[in-house]
Amino acid sequence: GDSVTQMEGPVTLSEEAFLTINCTYTATGYPSLFWYVQYPGEGLQLLLKATKADDKGSNKGFEATYRKETTSFHLEKGSVQVSDSAVYFCALRSTGNQFYFGTGTSLTVIP
Amino acid sequence: NAGVMQNPRHLVRRRGQEARLRCSPMKGHSHVYWYRQLPEEGLKFMVYLQKENIIDESGMPKERFSAEFPKEGPSILRIQQVVRGDSAAYFCASSPNDGRDGYTFGSGTRLTVV
Repeated sequence: GDSVTQMEGPVTLSEEAFLTINCTYTATGYPSLFWYVQYPGEGLQLLLKATKADDKGSNKGFEATYRKETTSFHLEKGSVQVSDSAVYFCALRSTGNQFYFGTGTSLTVIP
Repeated sequence: NAGVMQNPRHLVRRRGQEARLRCSPMKGHSHVYWYRQLPEEGLKFMVYLQKENIIDESGMPKERFSAEFPKEGPSILRIQQVVRGDSAAYFCASSPNDGRDGYTFGSGTRLTVV
């Protein structure tokens, strides 16, 4: 069945450090891939998405490239800020109506 | 433009009671989804509804759980005779279509069964 595996946290970085959160997937067909972010006490917000191989999603300095050959969709940011502290979820949607989410990676950025 | 509104934010129920969780989708969204987040786990799909219709309930436990999205009013997720294992965060999301472009999530209802 469809599934998403993302790197376990928690991740702690200093401000302005480079961020990578790994995400790999298993899916039938050609899924769309997403990253969501959840700030404390809030719901998930869509951060970026990619709908086909080699597409790059980007938003707020975050990027992720849909790699079909490695079934990956790693999230990157060149210089993190304290305000980026949150939990990040990788997700896919293939056939059917539901999304499959990873377990989330908690990021803490310290000044 | 209000987002997806869920209430209550926190709900405490004793074992055997009923829990009712409400979700008002974003304006213009007629598709509603419910997900459950257990501690240390990702979100798991429960049910997908469109006005007055259940489209997909493949993630819903067969007993004690039900959902509706009436023509007027919010979507309701009902859990009858709650047990400790029902303690979780329940998130509602909405979209203007079948979700292919992603959802907008509410802030969730944290259910605690004591």
